[in-house]
Amino acid sequence: NAGVTQTPKFQVLKTGQSMTLQCAQDMNHEYMSWYRQDPGMGLRLIHYSVGAGITDQGEVPNGYNVSRSTTEDFPLRLLSAAPSQTSVYFCASSRQVINSPLHFGNGTRLTVT
Amino acid sequence: DQQVKQNSPSLSVQEGRISILNCDYTNSMFDYFLWYKKYPAEGPTFLISISSIKDKNEDGRFTVFLNKSAKHLSLHIVPSQPGDSAVYFCAARGSGGSNYKLTFGKGTLLTVNP
Repeated sequence: NAGVTQTPKFQVLKTGQSMTLQCAQDMNHEYMSWYRQDPGMGLRLIHYSVGAGITDQGEVPNGYNVSRSTTEDFPLRLLSAAPSQTSVYFCASSRQVINSPLHFGNGTRLTVT
Repeated sequence: DQQVKQNSPSLSVQEGRISILNCDYTNSMFDYFLWYKKYPAEGPTFLISISSIKDKNEDGRFTVFLNKSAKHLSLHIVPSQPGDSAVYFCAARGSGGSNYKLTFGKGTLLTVNP
């Protein structure tokens, strides 16, 4: 049972480059979301999706795009990387049941130089 | 404006003793609270939760207490074990919102010494 799988684990980008962080879950969860974790900042919500074809912005969406074409996958795209996007990114999913807890992936550590 | 606050960045306790991690919140619309545990290089894992209609929830060695009037919750771990050493995040959800829209605190690093 893989749960939530994130790739890559590590990535270094130059300012201005674009890339996609991949997230896949095999639990048939309706909800998926992306968080970033910065030192001293806790986890902040970037974007989320309540089902295939439906996405919405979280607390810190600027500079990121998402799409949800399937239930399983929820990629996060950085359009033009900036040093301020250096962070650890976590993908999470949950069932569409009230108070069902989030299941997190193991994260992608991104460095933008 | 930080709506979920964990004012202690770190806590150190001896094995076998009680660990108490604290969390304060400012938004009175929060109605569900969760604790997550995070080991280095791993994602957070769900530990225990409590609804605002309760003041206590237990799961084995873990108990969460909620004081709504003080907007305060705490996680008690008894007895503490070295394997409990991790970062603990407090999270809250607003009423009417879905569980994915959680507001997290900054975390508290718990170290349990053998």
